[in-house]
Amino acid sequence: DQQVKQNSPSLSVQEGRISILNCDYTNSMFDYFLWYKKYPAEGPTFLISISSIKDKNEDGRFTVFLNKSAKHLSLHIVPSQPGDSAVYFCAARALTQKLVFGQGTRLTINP
Amino acid sequence: KAGVTQTPRYLIKTRGQQVTLSCSPISGHRSVSWYQQTPGQGLQFLFEYFSETQRNKGNFPGRFSGRQFSNSRSEMNVSTLELGDSALYLCASSLDPSSTAFFGQGTRLTVV
Repeated sequence: DQQVKQNSPSLSVQEGRISILNCDYTNSMFDYFLWYKKYPAEGPTFLISISSIKDKNEDGRFTVFLNKSAKHLSLHIVPSQPGDSAVYFCAARALTQKLVFGQGTRLTINP
Repeated sequence: KAGVTQTPRYLIKTRGQQVTLSCSPISGHRSVSWYQQTPGQGLQFLFEYFSETQRNKGNFPGRFSGRQFSNSRSEMNVSTLELGDSALYLCASSLDPSSTAFFGQGTRLTVV
């Protein structure tokens, strides 16, 4: 039972353009959503989060959008830089329950 | 402020052995969670501790256990190791269960 799904295993974007990573969830009780970035053999690094009472949160080049009716969230990175090449995980949590992660999307930024 | 520290970073064990991994959370953080990452499996939740009490447990066999000490440091133990236990084990800490979790570098366990 995969409650958080990232349907695109990989994404390739040209440097300077926008990267859009998508995530779908099934549990309507989720009230807090996060995005993490992970390099090989390292732990995930927290990027940005959003509460279910909001539909958008911005932090520098990163913006997360939440569409509760569609149970969908997305991460926009503008402009994309070579250092953004990594695996991105979305995660969700219901109240104080455990974090549930998606399978990850490998983002490659091409020069 | 120091981040989450996991020791050791790398470990090679033989099938049938047992292993203990350690996690020191960010100072002031009282919640610690453990995850297993294997290729193609994403991050699988193992367990979560808060104030020395296990709050949540994932779907792993009883060979996987953990504990949290009064200083919030946590250990996880895997007994009777199997080849399939080879993975990156990640620890995350947060102020409390409702706060953002920050991860350590992980411990790469290889079972041969």
